[in-house]
Amino acid sequence: GAGVSQSPSNKVTEKGKDVELRCDPISGHTALYWYRQSLGQGLEFLIYFQGNSAPDKSGLPSDRFSAERTGGSVSTLTIQRTQQEDSAVYLCASSFGTGRGQPQHFGDGTRLSIL
Amino acid sequence: GESVGLHLPTLSVQEGDNSIINCAYSNSASDYFIWYKQESGKGPQFIIDIRSNMDKRQGQRVTVLLNKTVKHLSLQIAATQPGDSAVYFCAEVIGGGADGLTFGKGTHLIIQP
Repeated sequence: GAGVSQSPSNKVTEKGKDVELRCDPISGHTALYWYRQSLGQGLEFLIYFQGNSAPDKSGLPSDRFSAERTGGSVSTLTIQRTQQEDSAVYLCASSFGTGRGQPQHFGDGTRLSIL
Repeated sequence: GESVGLHLPTLSVQEGDNSIINCAYSNSASDYFIWYKQESGKGPQFIIDIRSNMDKRQGQRVTVLLNKTVKHLSLQIAATQPGDSAVYFCAEVIGGGADGLTFGKGTHLIIQP
């Protein structure tokens, strides 16, 4: 498909475990974003990658959260030692070039549940 | 506090009527705004965007109005259809800063038959 693809679509894990969430952006999009959406809430910005530049990590809530983007394409968001408050939908978006003036296109997210 | 917010959490309109969803923002440095539609279990879907050098932009059945004086943004949907039922978010990009979007909490639009 031509859209942003995220996997898994659902993830249930025990508190304290590590999880990895994957995002395949739209082909040709140089910018990639991660957001978190708690139940009934808006989206919270986490991290932003643009080309080969150092990522903007200003939205990451703690040092348990990290993300990588390999080869300027696929990205993985890792949450270590998960806590119950990490339960949310994690959304990935990509855009052609910088966000300003270039709309971000979202995947359907990974619903993460921490038991 | 939150930079972008919405006046009403839920808006109910009759099918075929026009709907207006409002959004207030507080950062005068914001220079790009986007409206998204989110259906249950799906990611946000781009509807329409507007830059701060414009005050109106039209799409198919949708119009976005931007009033920079009062820092207000609205989305007008003409002749609403059942498929328009969703949560609508406005989002902003603050000029000169990170390009991550700042979202409001959303308005749930309900279309009554």
